[in-house]
Amino acid sequence: EPEVTQTPSHQVTQMGQEVILRCVPISNHLYFYWYRQILGQKVEFLVSFYNNEISEKSEIFDDQFSVERPDGSNFTLKIRSTKLEDSAMYFCASSEMGGQGDSPLHFGNGTRLTVT
Amino acid sequence: QQQVKQSPQSLIVQKGGISIINCAYENTAFDYFPWYQQFPGKGPALLIAIRPDVSEKKEGRFTISFNKSAKQFSLHIMDSQPGDSATYFCAASRGGKLIFGQGTELSVKP
Repeated sequence: EPEVTQTPSHQVTQMGQEVILRCVPISNHLYFYWYRQILGQKVEFLVSFYNNEISEKSEIFDDQFSVERPDGSNFTLKIRSTKLEDSAMYFCASSEMGGQGDSPLHFGNGTRLTVT
Repeated sequence: QQQVKQSPQSLIVQKGGISIINCAYENTAFDYFPWYQQFPGKGPALLIAIRPDVSEKKEGRFTISFNKSAKQFSLHIMDSQPGDSATYFCAASRGGKLIFGQGTELSVKP
C-alpha cells in the first residue's frame, strides 16, 4: 500500500537555526498537510496546501514557517529560526480529494524535532 | 467552536471487554468524523469514519455511534485485544482540515 514518507525521522537543532522537514506524499494525492504533536498532547493542524498554494493555515503557522512543493514529489516544511517550543513531532499528510468522502488523510510516521 | 473534546484520557480494559471512547464537538458545520489509531513512533492511521447522515457505522470489531442532536460520537471496540493497545484520536472535519481530540491511551490487559 502506498504511504507518506518523511525524512529525517529525528532532527536535532539549536535554537535560532533553520530546519527543513521533508515529505513525499502519496503520488496521486493533490492535497497536502502539516500537523504537529507536542509530546503527550493532541495532533494540531498547521497548514494545508493545494494547487501550489496554501489553502488554510492555523495561528501556529506564523511567519517563521513556510511550505513548498519544490518538485513533483516533495513537500517541505521550513522553520526559519527555531524556538525551544517548536520541539514536537511533525506529521505530513496527504489526501486524494481533500479529505472528502472516501478520500481520508494519510499520515507519515513523523519527524521528531528537538530544539536545544 | 473549533474544539473537539475527547474522554477519557486513558482507559484500561481486560481482554475481551468493550472499550468505549467518547467525543463531543461544537461546530455544526463539521461533516466528517474519523477515528485515528496511533501506535508509539508512528503516525495516526485512519481506523473508521462516519458522516452525520448516519447514526452508526460498524467495521469488524469497531463501531462508531453518532448522535447529531447531542453533537457527540463514540468509538466502541468490541472484544478488545492486547494488540488494540494504542492511542485513539477522534477528529472532526469540514473541507479536509482535521480538528483532533486530545486522545485516549487505551491499554488492553491480557
